[in-house]
Amino acid sequence: AQKITQTQPGMFVQEKEAVTLDCTYDTSDPSYGLFWYKQPSSGEMIFLIYQGSYDQQNATEGRYSLNFQKARKSANLVISASQLGDSAMYFCAMRGHLNAGGTSYGKLTFGQGTILTVHP
Amino acid sequence: ETGVTQSPTHLIKTRGQQVTLRCSSQSGHNTVSWYQQALGQGPQFIFQYYREEENGRGNFPPRFSGLQFPNYSSELNVNALELDDSALYLCASSLNSRNPGTEAFFGQGTRLTVV
Repeated sequence: AQKITQTQPGMFVQEKEAVTLDCTYDTSDPSYGLFWYKQPSSGEMIFLIYQGSYDQQNATEGRYSLNFQKARKSANLVISASQLGDSAMYFCAMRGHLNAGGTSYGKLTFGQGTILTVHP
Repeated sequence: ETGVTQSPTHLIKTRGQQVTLRCSSQSGHNTVSWYQQALGQGPQFIFQYYREEENGRGNFPPRFSGLQFPNYSSELNVNALELDDSALYLCASSLNSRNPGTEAFFGQGTRLTVV
C-alpha cells in the first residue's frame, strides 16, 4: 500500500519569499514517482514537478524545486520568490504499480493537501 | 488547458438516483482514471480504464462503474446515490506505461451534489 502524508494544513508566506511544503511517503514499490500538483479554486489539478525514485538529482522546474530525501522518504516542494498567484491548494502524490506485483503504473495516491496563502 | 474535458461541470441529484459523468481524454491517450475528491480532502482513486477494460480499482463499492469507448473517452456511473457521494469527480488521461513518471492530465472536474 502507498501512503502520502502532508502535515501542514495551511501555510502563509510573504510575497517574494520562499516557502517549503512538506511531504512524506510510504511504499513497498522499489520504483515509484513523486508528483506535486497545484489546485486552484477552479478545481483543475495542475502538474508542477516530478521526481523519480531512481533520479540522482533533485528535480527543478522554474521556481519549483523538489527536495528529495529517499532515506527519509520525504519529497518537499520548495517554491522560490512566491507570487500572489501561487495561493492555492497543493497536493503531493505518488504513482506506484497499479496492482501488487504488477508492472503497469497507474493510480496516483494523494496526500491531504496544504493550503498556501501568499500575502502581499 | 490540458485537453481533457469533463461534463457536466455541476450536477445536483437526489439520494437514490443514478448519475453518469463524462470525460474526453487528451488526444493520443489510451488510459483514463477517475478520482473522487471530497471537500477539503485529497483525491481518491476510483478506477482506471486502459483500452476499454478496467485494469485497476480503488476501494469503492460496485455501484461505482465505468466505461471506456474506442475513442478512449470515458464515463463514470454511480447508482443508488448517497449523500456522501457529494464530491468533485476528476478525470485524468495518460499513456499507460511502465514508467512511473507518466504524466496524468486532469480535467476541471464535475462537482456532484447529492441532496
